[in-house]
This record gives sequence, C-alpha cells and structure tokens, in this order.
Amino acid sequence: DTGVSQNPRHKITKRGQNVTFRCDPISEHNRLYWYRQTLGQGPEFLTYFQNEAQLEKSRLLSDRFSAERPKGSFSTLEIQRTEQGDSAMYLCASSQMTGLDEQFFGPGTRLTVL
Amino acid sequence: DAKTTQPPSMDCAEGRAANLPCNHSTISGNEYVYWYRQIHSQGPQYIIHGLKNNETNEMASLIITEDRKSSTLILPHATLRDTAVYYCIVRVGETSGSRLTFGEGTQLTVNP
Repeated sequence: DTGVSQNPRHKITKRGQNVTFRCDPISEHNRLYWYRQTLGQGPEFLTYFQNEAQLEKSRLLSDRFSAERPKGSFSTLEIQRTEQGDSAMYLCASSQMTGLDEQFFGPGTRLTVL
Repeated sequence: DAKTTQPPSMDCAEGRAANLPCNHSTISGNEYVYWYRQIHSQGPQYIIHGLKNNETNEMASLIITEDRKSSTLILPHATLRDTAVYYCIVRVGETSGSRLTFGEGTQLTVNP
C-alpha cells in the first residue's frame, strides 16, 4: 500500500482554462475528502464522498468546481474557467468507514493560475 | 465544530520535550480533540486524538484538562524532523465521516 496518491503534483494554467486533478485513495478506504490550502493557512474542506456518493459540499465549492468518484475508487476534481484566486494546494484524504475515521492525506496538487 | 486557539509559533531544542498548547473553551461534550501536523510540502499527518482522558501513542501524548477547555500535545524528545505546523482540531465523533476544520496551527521549529 503506497498511501494516497495525487496527480499531477504541479499544474500551471492560464486564467480561463479548465483543469482536472486525480486522487487515488488507499485501496480499502470508503471515504474520500478534498481540501484546499492557500499559503500560510490551514487546509479548508471542499467536499466528501462515501463510496460513490457525494455526501457533503462546502460553500467554498462554487459552481465552477465539480468532484466525482464514479466507482467509489479514485476521484477527480475539476475546476472550470480557472481564476487567479483558485491558485492553491489541493489535498485529497481518505479514511475507512469502520473504526476510527483517521484521515490519511496525499501529497497534494499545487495549482498556479497565471 | 468548536473553535481552537493556538500560538502561531514555538521553538524547541532538539532532544527536549515540546509542549504545544491549544485552547478550545467552547468544546461540546461529544467533540473530540484531534492533532495533525504538516511538514513542509507534505499533506497533513494524523498524530493523536482524545475525548477527555489523557492519551499516548508512539508519536506523542495528549493531555486534556478536566474541564476540557484546553489541551497540550507533548512530543517527549523532539527531533529536527518534528519541525512542522501542528494543528489542534475539535471534531464531533471519532467514527463519523465529518470534515476536519483546520485553523492556522502552530509552527514548531526544533533547533539543533
């Protein structure tokens, strides 16, 4: 088990472009979370899946953001019409549904919007 | 979730104990205290959590005051690799699939 993986690790895009990030959770983990972190701040919750169902969305997740987890395994986070304010580290975490809900984080995808 | 207050930064000498305080005066009876840390350029890492009793694991000890309004994370023998931002988080339940609400944390610097 290699832990939570995220791709790409870095993404530079121009304002107005669409970007998509991928998260592969730990294999037996049912729960998957997306967070966003800007410089000097702690991570902020964006959304949460249990299996393929998206159970919670933050108000931070504007209509330009969409997340999917089609088969309850990997997840994608898409940002449409990117803005400079979207520049941040996007973190994915996963956890098991039974037992302690300890969230294991991936290394993140750093997005820079020019 | 209840709000937490942590000092923005602390220093510790290598090999000494690092004691990181956290205030959570509005904590509710069903809320747990969690600690995570984030080493530069990595994702956060779970350290420990507790409800009202003191807890210890291989990484750290967690001391929660009797009134549960504050807690202290103790790294008994800090090493240079413990330099990180430490987040104290209050969260409902320990098995629910709920969000983690991070504050700004404490930047701990362990000096040689």
